[in-house]
Amino acid sequence: GAVVSQHPSWVICKSGTSVKIECRSLDFQATTMFWYRQFPKQSLMLMATSNEGSKATYEQGVEKDKFLINHASLTLSTLTVTSAHPEDSSFYICSASSRQHNQPQHFGDGTRLSIL
Amino acid sequence: SQQGEEDPQALSIQEGENATMNCSYKTSINNLQWYRQNSGRGLVHLILIRSNEREKHSGRLRVTLDTSKKSSSLLITASRAADTASYFCATDASSYKLSFGAGTTVTVRA
Repeated sequence: GAVVSQHPSWVICKSGTSVKIECRSLDFQATTMFWYRQFPKQSLMLMATSNEGSKATYEQGVEKDKFLINHASLTLSTLTVTSAHPEDSSFYICSASSRQHNQPQHFGDGTRLSIL
Repeated sequence: SQQGEEDPQALSIQEGENATMNCSYKTSINNLQWYRQNSGRGLVHLILIRSNEREKHSGRLRVTLDTSKKSSSLLITASRAADTASYFCATDASSYKLSFGAGTTVTVRA
């Protein structure tokens, strides 16, 4: 199956730091990538949809200036959590889609972000 | 946003038994997908069932879809310890975005 690599897998940093998370599709061209946030023992909440070469579309309630998304190529999308605070601590997961009808999304292994 | 509900929230079974979990959703869909998530990991795609399909099999997995009731079920037969995970249904209604259910945590006891 398709492989999506997400890096780093975990990060611990001080409050006020900006953190960048990378999501790469290794063996297919991902026209669209999605960024999710997951709290412990809860489901995935879609944060934003990232289309190659265009601005990301954010879900309601997600701060665009806090969560910067860049999708510069068909194989790479990045999520930058700017000026992170403890409440931003969470599990962030990306997925990639070729936008073909009735095809599944392919997920990265997630990034555990802990802000001290 | 979440449009689906899953039940049960948690399920504990003995190795070798079958596990069944259900998913309900609210709007019309293009397809419904089931994913597995091991603790602290990403999601692994299990099965995609299209809106015009009623049943689909993959190995020990069987998925049904009833669009009139807006519901789906996932059956895992002859469970193994390695099946211990959280299982999520996700609906694709439009724009290729997925809406996830709350998930069912399955524990398979040896």
